[in-house]
Amino acid sequence: DTAVSQTPKYLVTQMGNDKSIKCEQNLGHDTMYWYKQDSKKFLKIMFSYNNKELIINETVPNRFSPKSPDKAHLNLHINSLELGDSAVYFCASSPDLRHPQYFGPGTRLTVL
Amino acid sequence: SQQGEEDPQALSIQEGENATMNCSYKTSINNLQWYRQNSGRGLVHLILIRSNEREKHSGRLRVTLDTSKKSSSLLITASRAADTASYFCATVPSDSGGSNYKLTFGKGTLLTVNP
Repeated sequence: DTAVSQTPKYLVTQMGNDKSIKCEQNLGHDTMYWYKQDSKKFLKIMFSYNNKELIINETVPNRFSPKSPDKAHLNLHINSLELGDSAVYFCASSPDLRHPQYFGPGTRLTVL
Repeated sequence: SQQGEEDPQALSIQEGENATMNCSYKTSINNLQWYRQNSGRGLVHLILIRSNEREKHSGRLRVTLDTSKKSSSLLITASRAADTASYFCATVPSDSGGSNYKLTFGKGTLLTVNP
């Protein structure tokens, strides 16, 4: 059973398009996250939700909008995609903010 | 801003040798965590060490923490080809709590274990 799953695994799209990435965890965790990993492998947190409530919102363009319909799901919608959005996006979950996090397999987004 | 800095950036060793990776950080921490990332995969948690702990073991892994020097090291003993991966340290700051409890990752050490 996959603990943290993301779809799609690969996403290739044109500049200006809108796209969504979905994440689901079956670990019963209260906290979920979105990270962006750039081409140099630097991993930076974007958002965190705890029980469907936004608790961390880093300096991210407002073209990025997370949505948590329930505590097992955290989706990421990106409007007006730009070349610089190309990266691997990871979803993660944990019991709370201080505990180890469980990562999904990542979504490689390529903006052409 | 980036908190953890791993050293070296890349390390290549032979199977059976030990591998040591270091991490330095800037602010006081609640805990420090080490993760592994295989190529094209998500991160996997290895060990968490709290600020009041000095050493922790898990199988072939040994982590040390020196809060006075704001540094940690990860030692992998008797390395195997399957240990080839990027290794990241990540810190949880100790100040206030709430939304400040966010993991800040370093840039990672790419470990290559040659068979």
